[in-house]
Amino acid sequence: DTAVSQTPKYLVTQMGNDKSIKCEQNLGHDTMYWYKQDSKKFLKIMFSYNNKELIINETVPNRFSPKSPDKAHLNLHINSLELGDSAVYFCATAWTGGSEQFFGPGTRLTVL
Amino acid sequence: DQQVKQNSPSLSVQEGRISILNCDYTNSMFDYFLWYKKYPAEGPTFLISISSIKDKNEDGRFTVFLNKSAKHLSLHIVPSQPGDSAVYFCAASPGTYKYIFGTGTRLKVLA
Repeated sequence: DTAVSQTPKYLVTQMGNDKSIKCEQNLGHDTMYWYKQDSKKFLKIMFSYNNKELIINETVPNRFSPKSPDKAHLNLHINSLELGDSAVYFCATAWTGGSEQFFGPGTRLTVL
Repeated sequence: DQQVKQNSPSLSVQEGRISILNCDYTNSMFDYFLWYKKYPAEGPTFLISISSIKDKNEDGRFTVFLNKSAKHLSLHIVPSQPGDSAVYFCAASPGTYKYIFGTGTRLKVLA
């Protein structure tokens, strides 16, 4: 029973398209995150939601729009995809005030 | 500006010996530090953490040491096992919801 799941696992698309990545967790955590791991393997935080409320937005272009329909889901929608958006995107969850985060398996996005 | 740095991109160690992975940080506001392990095609998995009020935390074969004056932490794995071969990330938090990760060190444990 997967704790943090992401769909799809792989996503290949053309420049200019709009795509979404979904994240679901069954841990009951109240905080969810999106991270981007680029070609240099640098794992960088993009967004954080606590109880469906946006609490961190790390200077991410507004082409990226996270949506949290409920506490168990945090989806990432990307408009007008660019070549530089190619990366692995990880969803993560945690308890408020907790230490460790639990990561999903990642979604490898390739923009052609 | 990279606030958390892992200057060794890779490390090879013989099975049974000690593995020492290092991490340096620049922000003195960080008060919580974590180590994650990552296998290919999987997400990072939490390994061990340490609060800034401590200088050592131990969990089985894994020990994390924190030197606040040097802004340096290290992860010791002893004895190293082939299954420990993975990429190890250190991460730091200033006490908010935010975590800043290093670029990782690839550990290879040779049988």
